[in-house]
Amino acid sequence: SQTIHQWPATLVQPVGSPLSLECTVEGTSNPNLYWYRQAAGRGLQLLFYSVGIGQISSEVPQNLSASRPQDRQFILSSKKLLLSDSGFYLCAWSRQGDSPLHFGNGTRLTVT
Amino acid sequence: GENVGLHLPTLSVQEGDNSIINCAYSNSASDYFIWYKQESGKGPQFIIDIRSNMDKRQGQRVTVLLNKTVKHLSLQIAATQPGDSAVYFCAESLGGSNYKLTFGKGTLLTVNP
Repeated sequence: SQTIHQWPATLVQPVGSPLSLECTVEGTSNPNLYWYRQAAGRGLQLLFYSVGIGQISSEVPQNLSASRPQDRQFILSSKKLLLSDSGFYLCAWSRQGDSPLHFGNGTRLTVT
Repeated sequence: GENVGLHLPTLSVQEGDNSIINCAYSNSASDYFIWYKQESGKGPQFIIDIRSNMDKRQGQRVTVLLNKTVKHLSLQIAATQPGDSAVYFCAESLGGSNYKLTFGKGTLLTVNP
C-alpha cells in the first residue's frame, strides 16, 4: 500500500529564516506530487504541483519554491520567511488522470 | 493542529442519525468530484469520488449524489457516529487534470452522543 510522510509536524521559525519541508511517498512510482496551504477556516490553496522529476508548476506567485530531486520526494523551501507564510502546509500525491489526492498529515508553520 | 472549523458552515446531528452534507460546485465543465474528511490537526482523508457519468455512488456508510443540472454534490453518511465529527470538503476537477482540483470551503460536522 502507498504511504506519504511529511515532516516536521510543527515548526516555529523567525521572520527571515530559511525553510525546508520534506515529503516522501512510498509504494508507488511516478506519482503526481502537490504542496497545498490551508489557512484557518479556509479551503486548500494549491501552491505547487509536479508531474515528474524536476518538473514543477507554480500556482501562485509567492515567497516559496518547490523541488523534486527524486521521483517520490517533494521539498518546499523558502530563503527568507515572512509572517504571512504562517499556515498549515500539506503535501499530497496522486496517480495520473482522474484519481483522488492522498494527503500527508501536514506541517503547522508559525513564523514569529 | 490547525483549527479549520472557524467561520465554516456547520451541521450538528445526533449519533445514529443520517447526515447530509451539501456542496455547490462552480464549473459546469467539471467531471470528477471528490469528498474529503479532515479531522483537527490532520490532513484531509479521501472518502469517496464520483465521475460525471454517474449520479450516485455508494461506499461503506456513505453515498455521494451528483446533480449536474444544478451543479450540486451531496455526501450522505448513514448512522452517523462520533468519529464522523470533522470538516468535510468537496473538490472538483476537469477531466485528467487532477492537479487542478478546486476545493470547497468545508462543512463542520458535529455528532452529539
